[in-house]
Amino acid sequence: AQSVTQLGSHVSVSEGALVLLRCNYSSSVPPYLFWYVQYPNQGLQLLLKYTTGATLVKGINGFEAEFKKSETSFHLTKPSAHMSDAAEYFCAVSETGGTSYGKLTFGQGTILTVHP
Amino acid sequence: GAGVSQSPSNKVTEKGKDVELRCDPISGHTALYWYRQSLGQGLEFLIYFQGNSAPDKSGLPSDRFSAERTGGSVSTLTIQRTQQEDSAVYLCASSSSGLAGTAGELFFGEGSRLTVL
Repeated sequence: AQSVTQLGSHVSVSEGALVLLRCNYSSSVPPYLFWYVQYPNQGLQLLLKYTTGATLVKGINGFEAEFKKSETSFHLTKPSAHMSDAAEYFCAVSETGGTSYGKLTFGQGTILTVHP
Repeated sequence: GAGVSQSPSNKVTEKGKDVELRCDPISGHTALYWYRQSLGQGLEFLIYFQGNSAPDKSGLPSDRFSAERTGGSVSTLTIQRTQQEDSAVYLCASSSSGLAGTAGELFFGEGSRLTVL
């Protein structure tokens, strides 16, 4: 079985400050990991994904995330927040085998607020 | 179409009525997913179709919920005898592969917002 835990349902930062959104997962097989963003009244949009290879992955809008197997984490970061980054962010895991093959399981989401 | 299309975008119904929500995936995508997004609950997996395989219905919350996918394309999610707790945004997504990480990402529609009075 797979699960995702996002630490902090709300994160607030100042414009220009570091953004750090935390995600921990559990998976019985090697996972694929994703971050999605949802702007108000819109569908989800892929920010970045980890499948295999380099553990530091870069996505759109200056975001990046690092897969740390030993910590079962996939935290999302951005060096300098912009007002347009305000949205809800979802971490997700997809198992590459077993009974949950192909199914994407999401965390509860983290709402990011950016203050001027 | 260019993206995943869902209809209706908003639906208000009375408790006890049946509703149907429609999803038109991206042409050629073999995998189709339904998720439910409730306030404070995150995204809850409902059902997953992959090609002609039997769907994974493990996320359907009760037997009032059912879904079908005709001709490997359009999908309809049906909720019978709606209850107030069914109020949520129902999201559909499609993928070119059943395994979300391989041939590409999941592409989401904008959702159908269901309100049960």
